[in-house]
Amino acid sequence: GESVGLHLPTLSVQEGDNSIINCAYSNSASDYFIWYKQESGKGPQFIIDIRSNMDKRQGQRVTVLLNKTVKHLSLQIAATQPGDSAVYFCAENMDSGTYKYIFGTGTRLKVLA
Amino acid sequence: DGGITQSPKYLFRKEGQNVTLSCEQNLNHDAMYWYRQDPGQGLRLIYYSQIVNDFQKGDIAEGYSVSREKKESFPLTVTSAQKNPTAFYLCASRPRGGGTDTQYFGPGTRLTVL
Repeated sequence: GESVGLHLPTLSVQEGDNSIINCAYSNSASDYFIWYKQESGKGPQFIIDIRSNMDKRQGQRVTVLLNKTVKHLSLQIAATQPGDSAVYFCAENMDSGTYKYIFGTGTRLKVLA
Repeated sequence: DGGITQSPKYLFRKEGQNVTLSCEQNLNHDAMYWYRQDPGQGLRLIYYSQIVNDFQKGDIAEGYSVSREKKESFPLTVTSAQKNPTAFYLCASRPRGGGTDTQYFGPGTRLTVL
């Protein structure tokens, strides 16, 4: 089976509750951020993104908050469902000219029935 | 059906052998990437290519090689020089310019060295 995700911090949430997953990014010059969802044995799936000129962006059931002062990014999932169970990680784009990204290690979200 | 495909899904290699992982995209993206994913770690960049016939080393390029002869293809060769090749390998692509920086991933190839 898929071993990626072992030893990651885990967030356990009751089905129907809201989830908040946090990420501390590394470079104050980063200007673009992405949240990905990765299910076991699969490639990461894009969820939502935000640019550094914004502090909040909403999607369907998801909201990303950006606090540049403390280099912190969060992903809020409303009304968490069993299908939301996965590893979530953030990515920062340090320099769009080089197309390079830095990825967080991720948080495992477990949805309890 | 547009997207990024990687093959094979699972690959087994004997020590001392080179293996090549395939990555193909039909999204007309200019930039393509190879990452390695290990348990408990963030994705680490192996190689990336911004345009055809050009590619750059990432953070962990030693023991790997790539080519970019076609826009839609970016194969990765894991050579016998790679000391610890067992990992999950992810290919990604993104458009160049056009106001979007979003990177999209393929389904991955799990390589196991026997």
